[in-house]
Amino acid sequence: ETGVTQSPTHLIKTRGQQVTLRCSSQSGHNTVSWYQQALGQGPQFIFQYYREEENGRGNFPPRFSGLQFPNYSSELNVNALELDDSALYLCASSLDVSSTDTQYFGPGTRLTVL
Amino acid sequence: AQSVTQLDSHVSVSEGTPVLLRCNYSSSYSPSLFWYVQHPNKGLQLLLKYTSAATLVKGINGFEAEFKKSETSFHLTKPSAHMSDAAEYFCVVAGSNYKLTFGKGTLLTVNP
Repeated sequence: ETGVTQSPTHLIKTRGQQVTLRCSSQSGHNTVSWYQQALGQGPQFIFQYYREEENGRGNFPPRFSGLQFPNYSSELNVNALELDDSALYLCASSLDVSSTDTQYFGPGTRLTVL
Repeated sequence: AQSVTQLDSHVSVSEGTPVLLRCNYSSSYSPSLFWYVQHPNKGLQLLLKYTSAATLVKGINGFEAEFKKSETSFHLTKPSAHMSDAAEYFCVVAGSNYKLTFGKGTLLTVNP
């Protein structure tokens, strides 16, 4: 059992709005990563946080931002929503930042932008 | 830079027959490689991972994969498919950084 949870499960927003997605990592995991999975595609890396600092970023614009808190929870914020932001958003936690560390994924939040 | 190519978008097998899901990778560094499975409306679950130890890696539910550096491949196999194996499978590479790069996925269908 991974122990990674995400909320909400589903969300519907309109273009231009802002959204906050939440993730609760496994206890003791210092690293959280966020991914966007469009329909029919593999997940794409958005960014990673390690001990509350951004540790790396994929090819996503600055309107995608995040926070990580000391209690192993984290947030993904998206401003000025666009239709193409409709996707499944996944968070994953791991013990550390090594490439060999297993990342444990949550069930995801399905965001629909109308 | 790193990338993953899953050679088949859809594989269909009969229950009890072998499964082969093909994956080629590209990485500037000695890679870590993973296979994840995604069942409908479920999160991604790790099947197995390669991290430069034994080239034949055994995972959960009878799956295994072989790392072949000369062929830059990491194919996933299972001797006998079960109905519960029907899902989307992702081959994943992690390079010198922490970022996971996913393939586009292979949908496995298991026919009774």
